[in-house]
Amino acid sequence: GAGVSQSPRYKVTKRGQDVALRCDPISGHVSLYWYRQALGQGPEFLTYFNYEAQQDKSGLPNDRFSAERPEGSISTLTIQRTEQRDSAMYRCASSLVPPGPFATNEKLFFGSGTQLSVL
Amino acid sequence: AQKITQTQPGMFVQEKEAVTLDCTYDTSDQSYGLFWYKQPSSGEMIFLIYQGSYDEQNATEGRYSLNFQKARKSANLVISASQLGDSAMYFCAMREGSGEYGNKLVFGAGTILRVKS
Repeated sequence: GAGVSQSPRYKVTKRGQDVALRCDPISGHVSLYWYRQALGQGPEFLTYFNYEAQQDKSGLPNDRFSAERPEGSISTLTIQRTEQRDSAMYRCASSLVPPGPFATNEKLFFGSGTQLSVL
Repeated sequence: AQKITQTQPGMFVQEKEAVTLDCTYDTSDQSYGLFWYKQPSSGEMIFLIYQGSYDEQNATEGRYSLNFQKARKSANLVISASQLGDSAMYFCAMREGSGEYGNKLVFGAGTILRVKS
């Protein structure tokens, strides 16, 4: 597609339910990132993939959060047993090449995000 | 420690005037990149400008320029001739070059800019 696509755009769920958020990156983009953004704050890094390999998951808050990208394209962020504090905008971003020591200029293209509300 | 600090929660500027949004960063890497993104009320994240740590000249993109002062570790965004459509949240971000697979983009808390007519 032309841009990074995320679905659903909005998700309302009850506390304790599991949710799965989907990200379809720009075609051909190698790297895929998940960020979480609270209202009025900057995006907070969650995890990152190169192709299908999860290279960094240091930002995942706890073991209720997981992500996968099995074929190196579409990614799913799963939150199990949701809690009210999980409510936020979840953003996916992709970049053409992996970042590295000589590729610090790789900018991220962001999707519109999934607004998650846990009641 | 904060990697990216944006000390101005909010700024006002008169239409057609220039405005500077502050950003300071913290890194021990020699190779790193600095970015500015714009987030209008619609929520999208729009890339504005990039500055590499080895770039000798300040980056410019149309009405946007980056005032890069490496010794002071600052990367301020300058918007010239402000327009009403510039009203948005602005984020400064940094990617460090260390690590086998590079590093994630780390964002500051943002500055809300309001352009007055």
